[in-house]
Amino acid sequence: GENVEQHPSTLSVQEGDSAVIKCTYSDSASNYFPWYKQELGKRPQLIIDIRSNVGEKKDQRIAVTLNKTAKHFSLHITETQPEDSAVYFCAASSGGGADGLTFGKGTHLIIQP
Amino acid sequence: GAVVSQHPSRVICKSGTSVKIECRSLDFQATTMFWYRQFPKQSLMLMATSNEGSKATYEQGVEKDKFLINHASLTLSTLTVTSAHPEDSSFYICSARVLGNYEQYFGPGTRLTVT
Repeated sequence: GENVEQHPSTLSVQEGDSAVIKCTYSDSASNYFPWYKQELGKRPQLIIDIRSNVGEKKDQRIAVTLNKTAKHFSLHITETQPEDSAVYFCAASSGGGADGLTFGKGTHLIIQP
Repeated sequence: GAVVSQHPSRVICKSGTSVKIECRSLDFQATTMFWYRQFPKQSLMLMATSNEGSKATYEQGVEKDKFLINHASLTLSTLTVTSAHPEDSSFYICSARVLGNYEQYFGPGTRLTVT
């Protein structure tokens, strides 16, 4: 089955700086890579996603890059703000989203004021 | 749009009893629903995938006789934890997907505590 590795487990950055979280996956059949933000006790919130036919996608301060050859994808958050503090999860699935998601272990992002 | 609800949000039950959790898609028809479990400070782990009218597909290591999943309609899936034990205490989250769409819409989760 799919295995998703995520690094780092904790990331502390100064407010206004950029944050980068990296993930690798093992199954070359995976073709959908979403990123979620989760606050304590709440549901995961989709912040951006990318499909395997695209190398990069951007939405305001958030961007995701995908390298299919190396089987890794990254989340980039620029101009970080205190409200960006949360746990972020990467995930992967195959079958055009028909299959369930395999999640990384999560990154606790801390924005220092 | 694309709202998924879960009921109950929290439940406490005694060891040995069964608990049923409902997952509903409120404004769309969900061809596929997924059930995930999340232990404190850990990631989400897929338990099973259910398609309307079909038997659920369980992930390796998930006991299908313990975690009964029913997906009787395009808007409702239920997860029943049978003979619950304290180690079943967890946050159970469902998600729903529309045929042809990649995105999964998550429910708010159910916090199960088994005493």
